[in-house]
Amino acid sequence: AQSVTQLGSHVSVSEGALVLLRCNYSSSVPPYLFWYVQYPNQGLQLLLKYTTGATLVKGINGFEAEFKKSETSFHLTKPSAHMSDAAEYFCAVSQRGSTLGRLYFGRGTQLTVWP
Amino acid sequence: NAGVMQNPRHLVRRRGQEARLRCSPVKGHSHVYWYRQLPEEGLKFMVYLQKENIIDESGMPKERFSAEFPKEGPSILRIQQVVRGDSAAYFCASSSLTGATNEKLFFGSGTQLSVL
Repeated sequence: AQSVTQLGSHVSVSEGALVLLRCNYSSSVPPYLFWYVQYPNQGLQLLLKYTTGATLVKGINGFEAEFKKSETSFHLTKPSAHMSDAAEYFCAVSQRGSTLGRLYFGRGTQLTVWP
Repeated sequence: NAGVMQNPRHLVRRRGQEARLRCSPVKGHSHVYWYRQLPEEGLKFMVYLQKENIIDESGMPKERFSAEFPKEGPSILRIQQVVRGDSAAYFCASSSLTGATNEKLFFGSGTQLSVL
């Protein structure tokens, strides 16, 4: 069975500081990996995904994530936080060979950005 | 080009009543997924439907919950005899492909169900 662990339910950073949101997965076969962002009262938006190829994936809004098979991790980073980045972030995986819509989500990390 | 539309946005029901949640996928999408988000938790998969077919309902509670995606009209998630534990945000997502690495999932804004 797939499982996703997001370390830290709340992360606070100052504007301009590095953002690091952690995600580890548990799977016998490396899955497809995703990061979604959820703004208040809105649905989820895809930030980036890893399916195959280069392990460093660039997404929207300056975010990127690196798939590290040896560490079963897919941490999300952004060099310089902006106030508009304040939101909830979810890491998710789906099993290779199954529909990409069948996702297993982590519990989420609420990102606060201080001025 | 409208995205995934869910209605109502908020739904209040008393214990024992029925709740019907609607989801209109992106135009042309024939794959619909329902997820439930309990407070302080991530989204949990409930069911995957294609037009007129339930493909995977492994995340659906065995009783009181049902889903459909008819040939015409929106997908419906139906909860009979609601209980307080059903209070949650219910999200619908749609896509046009399945299993393809370039598949993209579009999420609606959700229906917040509150059971009094």
